[in-house]
Amino acid sequence: GAVVSQHPSRVICKSGTSVKIECRSLDFQATTMFWYRQFPKKSLMLMATSNEGSKATYEQGVEKDKFLINHASLTLSTLTVTSAHPEDSSFYICSARDPSGAYNEQFFGPGTRLTVL
Amino acid sequence: EDKVVQSPLSLVVHEGDTVTLNCSYEVTNFRSLLWYKQEKKAPTFLFMLTSSGIEKKSGRLSSILDKKELFSILNITATQTGDSAIYLCAVEGNTDKLIFGTGTRLQVFP
Repeated sequence: GAVVSQHPSRVICKSGTSVKIECRSLDFQATTMFWYRQFPKKSLMLMATSNEGSKATYEQGVEKDKFLINHASLTLSTLTVTSAHPEDSSFYICSARDPSGAYNEQFFGPGTRLTVL
Repeated sequence: EDKVVQSPLSLVVHEGDTVTLNCSYEVTNFRSLLWYKQEKKAPTFLFMLTSSGIEKKSGRLSSILDKKELFSILNITATQTGDSAIYLCAVEGNTDKLIFGTGTRLQVFP
């Protein structure tokens, strides 16, 4: 199946700093990528839909100024957590849809665990 | 509001047992239902179901969808310790978005 990578896999930062997470589709072009957040023992919560060349669409309750999304190319989307606080600590997962795939399903990256001290 | 509910939330079985995981949904303009397995990292794709009554099968795992009752089940036969994971059900409606259920945490003991 298609491969989606995320970098970094784990990051620890101080409160108040900004953290950038990259999501790449390695062997296909993705016009749409999705960013999820997952708390321990909870399901995935969609944060936003990232559209190449246009603004991201945020889900209700997600602060767009806090979680900046940039989909600069057909293979790269970035999520920047600005002025991070301990409550932003979570597992962040991106996914990308492969339009040429057999099922047009979303492929997930391996996730980034963010810990804000 | 679109909603996906999974049950049970947690399941503990012994190797060799058969388990059935449930997923019910309410979604506008249903397009597909997907099952994922999540171990330590991101979910991995298991099945996509779009039509009622057609069983999808992969090894010891199988799944079926009932679009009339808005329901899907995931069966795992002859469970192994390697099946221990969280199983996530997600539904796609008239947007590209996936709506995930809470997941079922399966633990298989030897």
